[in-house]
Amino acid sequence: DIQMTQSPSSLSASVGDRVTITCRASQSINNYLNWYQQKPGKAPKLLIYAASSLQSGVPSRFSGSGSGTDFTLTISSLQPEDFATYYCQQSYSTPQTFGQGTNLEIK
Amino acid sequence: EVQLVESGGGLVQSGGSLRLSCAASGFTLSSYAMSWVRQAPGKGLEWVSVISGSGASTYSADSVKGRFIVSRDNTKNTLYLQMNSLRAEDTAVYYCAKGSTFYYGSGSYYSLWGRGTLVTVSS
Repeated sequence: DIQMTQSPSSLSASVGDRVTITCRASQSINNYLNWYQQKPGKAPKLLIYAASSLQSGVPSRFSGSGSGTDFTLTISSLQPEDFATYYCQQSYSTPQTFGQGTNLEIK
Repeated sequence: EVQLVESGGGLVQSGGSLRLSCAASGFTLSSYAMSWVRQAPGKGLEWVSVISGSGASTYSADSVKGRFIVSRDNTKNTLYLQMNSLRAEDTAVYYCAKGSTFYYGSGSYYSLWGRGTLVTVSS
């Protein structure tokens, strides 16, 4: 199975900050990497697919990059509604494993 | 309205069985692979099972293989997860999610999720 490792596990930031979350795969997954946002008590929401494609309706302050084993999710200017937990997921092969999550908190 | 609604969760004793359902509306279920993803209390997301649009192909995580069976009835627009030999570690909110294509091959992603149903396994 492919292991997905996110860093950091938690992050404190302020409104307006630029934030980057990293996801590393245990082997090359080409660009088959998705990012999700989850708020407490809610279902995950797709933000980015295929490493850098923005899902329809997602604000342009979210962006993704990377290929192979190393990927990043960047939020260019944090908004109050962005404080949540973020997960990466590989879809290169089954099982389609998730990272452990990054909890983004208000500083 | 395009949505997924899970049902069937509840409290069950260790060793027992439960069948979850996921009712789809607003889109043609048979055109898409579907997955089950779970989340234990206070923990991260864990991918559980996936099934192709026709139901001919399935795959499950090692943690549930041989105990959980994913199936679908496209005529009823419903996805199922039959859970047998339940263990305390299966306690979680179970989400169904709509895949991006008919098959769950490389590049698939999940753009529509249900609200989840809670399964609690008591030991």
